Amino acid sequence: AQKVTQAQTEISVVEKEDVTLDCVYETRDTTYYLFWYKQPPSGELVFLIRRNSFDEQNEISGRYSWNFQKSTSSFNFTITASQVVDSAVYFCALSEVISSGSARQLTFGSGTQLTVLP
Amino acid sequence: GAGVSQSPSNKVTEKGKDVELRCDPISGHTALYWYRQSLGQGLEFLIYFQGNSAPDKSGLPSDRFSAERTGGSVSTLTIQRTQQEDSAVYLCASRTTGTWEQFFGPGTRLTVL
Repeated sequence: AQKVTQAQTEISVVEKEDVTLDCVYETRDTTYYLFWYKQPPSGELVFLIRRNSFDEQNEISGRYSWNFQKSTSSFNFTITASQVVDSAVYFCALSEVISSGSARQLTFGSGTQLTVLP
Repeated sequence: GAGVSQSPSNKVTEKGKDVELRCDPISGHTALYWYRQSLGQGLEFLIYFQGNSAPDKSGLPSDRFSAERTGGSVSTLTIQRTQQEDSAVYLCASRTTGTWEQFFGPGTRLTVL
């Protein structure tokens, strides 16, 4: 069975601080995908990033960066120079790959509520 | 292009009534998923449609829940004899062949009185 753990329920930072959101996962599969989604107060889940299990290269996109470490089963997300607009709930998720190459459903963590104060 | 749309955005019903929730996926997306989000249970998978294959119903919590997808496009999630514990936001997502990320709709907030 798959499991995603986001131990940080709530984080509060002051604008311009850097913040890292932790994600630890469990799976028996050798091929899988990891994701981060953002859920702002409006409620709609917004896709941020996908990473497959064979690609441990870290990725940076603007103020966002992701650190994937297979050895520790972690996929952490860092926001540099946080802004008030970054306030949202962030979800880490895992999806296994079916033999046909398709992807199963997402298994989500419980989410981390990030509040960025002005 | 248009994203995933869901209707209604809000639904209030009385315990014991049936409800239907609708999802219009992104045009051309072959995979469609239903999830629900509630305070106590977080984001839970309900059902998955992939093309013409039989749906994966492994996440449906009881036989009061069912879903269909007509013509490989629009999907309807039906909850019969609603209970108060069915109150949640029901989210629909779609994905196109060859990609892995799912794109979510705005959800339907269901309140069972």
